[in-house]
Amino acid sequence: GAVVSQHPSWVICKSGTSVKIECRSLDFQATTMFWYRQFPKQSLMLMATSNEGSKATYEQGVEKDKFLINHASLTLSTLTVTSAHPEDSSFYICSASPHPGTDTQYFGPGTRLTVL
Amino acid sequence: GENVEQHPSTLSVQEGDSAVIKCTYSDSASNYFPWYKQELGKRPQLIIDIRSNVGEKKDQRIAVTLNKTAKHFSLHITETQPEDSAVYFCAASKSGSGYSTLTFGKGTMLLVSP
Repeated sequence: GAVVSQHPSWVICKSGTSVKIECRSLDFQATTMFWYRQFPKQSLMLMATSNEGSKATYEQGVEKDKFLINHASLTLSTLTVTSAHPEDSSFYICSASPHPGTDTQYFGPGTRLTVL
Repeated sequence: GENVEQHPSTLSVQEGDSAVIKCTYSDSASNYFPWYKQELGKRPQLIIDIRSNVGEKKDQRIAVTLNKTAKHFSLHITETQPEDSAVYFCAASKSGSGYSTLTFGKGTMLLVSP
């Protein structure tokens, strides 16, 4: 149980284009999902908290107009990187908690974004 | 906000030895402390966690200890094996109503040599 998937697993795009990443909870409903970014040899940095049916909560320093988050259902959250630039190249990982109000998070497999 | 420090950044041991990774946290209200193992290019996997009402928890070769007074918690791996080689992250969160966010340490690269 508690399986989280992401799609795509990797993507290469040109500078200036937008990329959408999907995060799905496969065997549970998640009212809250989390989006992290991880640069090579670094830790996971929380970007935003995605809440089903409401606006996402962004961490300080994360541009909400650049990283659009939509949590349209209890099993799907999407992250759209708009007008991507090479410095946005990173490993993007989502996570979710299977039980509302609990703190155990299970992670998706991640999406490797490369912006040329 | 919460700040989590993790040491060492790298740790090399011989197969069969024990490995210890230590973390400190700053927010005394934090009450949940998970440890994740991440292999290169893969997702972090939860290996063990501990809550503030417990001082120690063990699962086969892995154990975690928590000292709330000192705001320290540690991961202990005994009888290490080459497949234990990975990056290990500690984290802390403060659970309450609604959701809680994790603050991660910078990670420890563990290398177990045969």
